Amino acid sequence: AQSVAQPEDQVNVAEGNPLTVKCTYSVSGNPYLFWYVQYPNRGLQFLLKYITGDNLVKGSYGFEAEFNKSQTSFHLKKPSALVSDSALYFCAVRDLNSGNTPLVFGKGTRLSVIA
Amino acid sequence: DTAVSQTPKYLVTQMGNDKSIKCEQNLGHDTMYWYKQDSKKFLKIMFSYNNKELIINETVPNRFSPKSPDKAHLNLHINSLELGDSAVYFCASSPASGASSYNEQFFGPGTRLTVL
Repeated sequence: AQSVAQPEDQVNVAEGNPLTVKCTYSVSGNPYLFWYVQYPNRGLQFLLKYITGDNLVKGSYGFEAEFNKSQTSFHLKKPSALVSDSALYFCAVRDLNSGNTPLVFGKGTRLSVIA
Repeated sequence: DTAVSQTPKYLVTQMGNDKSIKCEQNLGHDTMYWYKQDSKKFLKIMFSYNNKELIINETVPNRFSPKSPDKAHLNLHINSLELGDSAVYFCASSPASGASSYNEQFFGPGTRLTVL
């Protein structure tokens, strides 16, 4: 079975500082990994994904994530946080070897960027 | 233009009633989904349709019945509403045929259902 863990419910960071939102996953085969962001009273928006290839993936709004197979992690990062980055962030995984299985989401991490 | 739209945005109703939520996507995608987000923001898939065919049906009570009249629409009908059905319901779509794809999903704005 596939699963994803976001160990932090809340991350606080000062504006201009680097941010990291953590994600670890568990799959039996190879993973497809995604990050989504949810602003208040909105649907989820896609940020970036890892399929194969370069372990460092760049996405929307200056975000990036690094796939680390040995640590089964896919942490989301940004070099310099903005107040407007404050939102709920979801990591998601699909095991590409598991047939017609759905995307599994983590429980979300609330990011608060303080001016 | 709204890519994935849902109606209504808010739905307040009494226990025992039957209600429907509509979803439409104008992206030309083959696959559509319904998700439930509970009060703790936990997001769980309910159904997935590919070209009007049901391909994923998670452990959802049979009071919930999705209907896809064409591949641009996926409606959710809920019978005999219960207090525990209160949640935000999101519709989503993706371009690939099937749920086991690497394509990202596009989400609608959500429908907040409150059962009194």
